[in-house]
Amino acid sequence: KNEVEQSPQNLTAQEGEFITINCSYSVGISALHWLQQHPGGGIVSLFMLSSGKKKHGRLIATINIQEKHSSLHITASHPRDSAVYICAVIGETSGSRLTFGEGTQLTVNP
Amino acid sequence: NAGVMQNPRHLVRRRGQEARLRCSPMKGHSHVYWYRQLPEEGLKFMVYLQKENIIDESGMPKERFSAEFPKEGPSILRIQQVVRGDSAAYFCASSPIRGLAPQHFGDGTRLSIL
Repeated sequence: KNEVEQSPQNLTAQEGEFITINCSYSVGISALHWLQQHPGGGIVSLFMLSSGKKKHGRLIATINIQEKHSSLHITASHPRDSAVYICAVIGETSGSRLTFGEGTQLTVNP
Repeated sequence: NAGVMQNPRHLVRRRGQEARLRCSPMKGHSHVYWYRQLPEEGLKFMVYLQKENIIDESGMPKERFSAEFPKEGPSILRIQQVVRGDSAAYFCASSPIRGLAPQHFGDGTRLSIL
């Protein structure tokens, strides 16, 4: 079993829909990252959080440390949001290295 | 553009050749991380370096792979005697401090082995 599990693996939505991507992890963590990988392959860091909730534009990330769970929400989704969304954690004993989930492929249709 | 710069973007090598991948971190960042993404797989940590020091190489294959981050110049990931299984996207990320800081990623180097 991977230390970081994401669901769903694939998600197709219609433009305007509210989207939720989930991430569960099995180790104690110092922080959790949400990343976006574009179709061209580049990776952008969206959020780093260790508690509570962060918001940036139409993106919201939440984390529940007790339940070892995080969610990424996209409001009013748009075709340009189509990408792979990756959850990654920094374990309490792993220094600075990231351990990644397998990613969620999101496709938003017009 | 002061982002993380990786070059080349694409690299083709024949089996047995050497591959050198370069990463220039963001200005002011002295911490560099290398990650590998095999086809149809997720990202995996390889190595974490600070200027002139390897901090954590627990994800590096034991043979043929090495990394350095000299006092001057980019970080280099070197793969000797490449094999087909080394075909992957190699990403570099940098951060200004150790630990709880966002990592900024480069666009990656796509390595193809013929």
